[in-house]
Amino acid sequence: AQSVTQLDSHVSVSEGTPVLLRCNYSSSYSPSLFWYVQHPNKGLQLLLKYTSAATLVKGINGFEAEFKKSETSFHLTKPSAHMSDAAEYFCVVSDSLTGNQFYFGTGTSLTVIP
Amino acid sequence: EAGVAQSPRYKIIEKRQSVAFWCNPISGHATLYWYQQILGQGPKLLIQFQNNGVVDDSQLPKDRFSAERLKGVDSTLKIQPAKLEDSAVYLCASTGPWTSGGTDTQYFGPGTRLTVL
Repeated sequence: AQSVTQLDSHVSVSEGTPVLLRCNYSSSYSPSLFWYVQHPNKGLQLLLKYTSAATLVKGINGFEAEFKKSETSFHLTKPSAHMSDAAEYFCVVSDSLTGNQFYFGTGTSLTVIP
Repeated sequence: EAGVAQSPRYKIIEKRQSVAFWCNPISGHATLYWYQQILGQGPKLLIQFQNNGVVDDSQLPKDRFSAERLKGVDSTLKIQPAKLEDSAVYLCASTGPWTSGGTDTQYFGPGTRLTVL
């Protein structure tokens, strides 16, 4: 069965410091992994996705994530946080066996302190 | 390319009233999803369509919720009668054809915020 665990429900960082949002997944087959961002009162926007190509994936707004099969992890990072990064972040897993079904983590709320 | 469209953006109703939400996916996208997102939680899948057929509606409260995608393009989600606990954002998403190389990407609309009083 597919599932996603976001290890932190809330993360606070100071502006200009690195961001690390952690995600572990469980998948019975070759997974596709996604990170979405949701700003207040907005829909979900795709940050980046992994679909069995390069294990280090670069996304929008300076975010990147590394797929580590041995650790079943797909952590999201950014070298320097900006105030506009404050939002809710969702890690999502899917695989080709489940026919375009997606499984969401519970989300991580990122606060950026000026 | 136009994104996923949803309407209305906001809706306030009294409990026991009916409400309907509309979604138009990205052109050519075969799969359409409706999610319910309660404040502070992640999206919960209500129903998934592949063209005009239902793939998964296991978490749809069928006594009060219904959804259709008659022509395999746009879709309507209805709640009748509404309860207080239905207050949430209803998100629509779509994906293109499923390929053997991996899963296609899910694109989301802006959502409809429902408040039930």
